[in-house]
Amino acid sequence: NAGVTQTPKFRVLKTGQSMTLLCAQDMNHEYMYWYRQDPGMGLRLIHYSVGEGTTAKGEVPDGYNVSRLKKQNFLLGLESAAPSQTSVYFCASSFGPGVSLHFGNGTRLTVT
Amino acid sequence: AQRVTQPEKLLSVFKGAPVELKCNYSYSGSPELFWYVQYSRQRLQLLLRHISRESIKGFTADLNKGETSFHLKKPFAQEEDSAMYYCALSGSGNTGKLIFGQGTTLQVKP
Repeated sequence: NAGVTQTPKFRVLKTGQSMTLLCAQDMNHEYMYWYRQDPGMGLRLIHYSVGEGTTAKGEVPDGYNVSRLKKQNFLLGLESAAPSQTSVYFCASSFGPGVSLHFGNGTRLTVT
Repeated sequence: AQRVTQPEKLLSVFKGAPVELKCNYSYSGSPELFWYVQYSRQRLQLLLRHISRESIKGFTADLNKGETSFHLKKPFAQEEDSAMYYCALSGSGNTGKLIFGQGTTLQVKP
């Protein structure tokens, strides 16, 4: 099992460009999450999903959109990238509340 | 408001010394707390959770509801313990989402 796989690993965008980050899990998990990691701020939740076809906003959702069309995939979109979105993005998944989250390796995004 | 605070950005100790990484939380209900660890060039992984009351890699953490704390302790630090440690709180509702602290980098010197 690959676990949680994130693509791409690195990306550099210019301000205003768009992109999609893909998260795929092969553990049949219901719940999936997107976090961003910034120095001194820990991990902050962007959006999450508690099942196929559902999405919900987290702590810092502005400037991002998500989709969960298939159970195994959770996509994070940036429609018009801004330098404030320079960060490391982590996807995670779990069977449900109260159990361990399984994390991907992260995507390092730089917006210039 | 639900919040997790890790007051130390960096904790530096010598090998063999005791370690205590501090975590305080703010939560009105009955909390579920976790410690996650990120070793260099590895993904974030669960270290332990309070409900299990277990010891992993020599680390323990006790939930103190009176002080709203969940400090991580190890009596004798090893060089391989050097990593970033995050304390996390499971928020209310059945969403499974975690609220993370700011993280503490543990540096164990030889």
